[in-house]
Amino acid sequence: EAGVTQFPSHSVIEKGQTVTLRCDPISGHDNLYWYRRVMGKEIKFLLHFVKESKQDESGMPNNRFLAERTGGTYSTLKVQPAELEDSGVYFCASSPRGNYGYTFGSGTRLTVV
Amino acid sequence: EDQVTQSPEALRLQEGESSSLNCSYTVSGLRGLFWYRQDPGKGPEFLFTLYSAGEEKEKERLKATLTKKESFLHITAPKPEDSATYLCAVRPLDDSSYKLIFGSGTRLLVRP
Repeated sequence: EAGVTQFPSHSVIEKGQTVTLRCDPISGHDNLYWYRRVMGKEIKFLLHFVKESKQDESGMPNNRFLAERTGGTYSTLKVQPAELEDSGVYFCASSPRGNYGYTFGSGTRLTVV
Repeated sequence: EDQVTQSPEALRLQEGESSSLNCSYTVSGLRGLFWYRQDPGKGPEFLFTLYSAGEEKEKERLKATLTKKESFLHITAPKPEDSATYLCAVRPLDDSSYKLIFGSGTRLLVRP
């Protein structure tokens, strides 16, 4: 079974630019989550999709962040415009319906300069 | 406010030297407590889920236990390959959300 795939693995962009992160969950997993870890802090929840619907987006920091999940398959997280404090590692995870156990991807390390 | 605190922040052990990592939590209600292992440059890897006080789970040299306020991850006779960051997370008792609240982790280094 293929795992959760994220790309790019690293991205360096200038402040004010736009970046789009992509996540391919495990096939058949209805639940998809985005988390991030900023320097020195714990991993924090951003949002949760069930299929293509946003179930919980209470962790999204502001309206510069936009997440989508096309057809209940892959998901994208766009940051526009990026700010310095957006730097960190963005993790995607997925789980089957009703299952609490997440499988995480390896993350995208975003650096805003 | 729901909170997870892990201690110690870092732990150095000699190979074979057993120890325990602590995860204390404050939540209005607990649906589950999770332990993950994270290697550098990788995402967290699931280890255990504990649901109720008194529950224990084991996997190789690792054993996780749960009380009403904290969880312990016991490492018996560790090997260098057990070196990693160990993360604890809780899922609050809230039917509307699947989100996990993570602690900052314990960085474990096992020296040969």
